Amino acid sequence: DQQVKQNSPSLSVQEGRISILNCDYTNSMFDYFLWYKKYPAEGPTFLISISSIKDKNEDGRFTVFLNKSAKHLSLHIVPSQPGDSAVYFCAAGGQGSTLGRLYFGRGTQLTVWP
Amino acid sequence: GAGVSQSPRYKVAKRGQDVALRCDPISGHVSLFWYQQALGQGPEFLTYFQNEAQLDKSGLPSDRFFAERPEGSVSTLKIQRTQQEDSAVYLCASSLSPSSYEQYFGPGTRLTVT
Repeated sequence: DQQVKQNSPSLSVQEGRISILNCDYTNSMFDYFLWYKKYPAEGPTFLISISSIKDKNEDGRFTVFLNKSAKHLSLHIVPSQPGDSAVYFCAAGGQGSTLGRLYFGRGTQLTVWP
Repeated sequence: GAGVSQSPRYKVAKRGQDVALRCDPISGHVSLFWYQQALGQGPEFLTYFQNEAQLDKSGLPSDRFFAERPEGSVSTLKIQRTQQEDSAVYLCASSLSPSSYEQYFGPGTRLTVT
């Protein structure tokens, strides 16, 4: 059973606008959440993370929001740039399993067009 | 500094052959993970090492899969008697310590079993 879900397989956004990628999880033991970005033929690259004790973490153009009661997190990219076009994976980890083991969603393909 | 490297990048095996996939983690990283990524899916956990100790192998799909990290640095994932359903990208990731959730991935090895 998928414990981390990304229900939108794709998202298309115009350059300069905001991209919002969503992620839901089912396991309340998760206490750390990460977003990874993946280009074709490369491994996932760490982008930004958030601990469950926070509800927001910001790094430049990237902000992650966590809503624990809804078991939902989102990644905001503003302004979006063509170089942001990639597959974005949401991942979660928690105390209830192997330390550091991550559970991934299926990914969302973001396309930023000029 | 150097990131995680994996070799070979691509491997084609005939069904029934044995394969060995290599991972060189970031120097000094204690934790090492193997993930399997099928087409259109997110990475799925296979196994975890803390230094040379394999602490979790619950994700290995069958006893044909074997992983080792004898000196606590380089790791090898071996698949015996490969089958078509083993076709996937095999990703290796390392992290600095067991308490660090941020994992750094290699480029992966794409295995195709014909």
